Amino acid sequence: AQSVTQLDSQVPVFEEAPVELRCNYSSSVSVYLFWYVQYPNQGLQLLLKYLSGSTLVKGINGFEAEFNKSQTSFHLRKPSVHISDTAEYFCAVSDQSFGNEKLTFGTGTRLTIIP
Amino acid sequence: KAGVTQTPRYLIKTRGQQVTLSCSPISGHRSVSWYQQTPGQGLQFLFEYFSETQRNKGNFPGRFSGRQFSNSRSEMNVSTLELGDSALYLCASSLGDRWLNTEAFFGQGTRLTVV
Repeated sequence: AQSVTQLDSQVPVFEEAPVELRCNYSSSVSVYLFWYVQYPNQGLQLLLKYLSGSTLVKGINGFEAEFNKSQTSFHLRKPSVHISDTAEYFCAVSDQSFGNEKLTFGTGTRLTIIP
Repeated sequence: KAGVTQTPRYLIKTRGQQVTLSCSPISGHRSVSWYQQTPGQGLQFLFEYFSETQRNKGNFPGRFSGRQFSNSRSEMNVSTLELGDSALYLCASSLGDRWLNTEAFFGQGTRLTVV
């Protein structure tokens, strides 16, 4: 079984400042890692994913994340945020076994951009 | 191409009733997963269907059921509704073949309110 911990439930950041949203996971098997964003009254949109290869993953909207296997972390970063980045961000994992599409989500981090 | 379509977007039901939610996946996708999102429990996996068969199941009572049709469209049914079933129900579709490095695409969800 897997679990995901998002350490910050809310993160306020000034516009154009950098931000890091933290995610740690626990799993007894190898996993794939994802970050999703949810805008109000919307579904989830994939920001980026780590499947294999380079541990630094670049996604949409200027976001990137780094997979750290030894620390079981997958923190999300953006060097300069905009008002439009205000949303809830979810870290998720799924195990690598064939036929397992189940995503296990963290509790989410609400990112608020302060003008 | 068209995204994942969930209908209806909003639903109000009375305790004790039953409800059916519908999800049309992206064309060509054979896997449909369902998630429940609530403020208290976050995003929880309900079940996944692949080629008309339930392939994965979460930890929900038997009141929650689903099915998938030959065209990959899926329905989710909740019987004997309880107040605690009020939630945003999200559907996600994917190709279903992990080796193709697929990702899950989410619909906008159905907001169910039980009164």
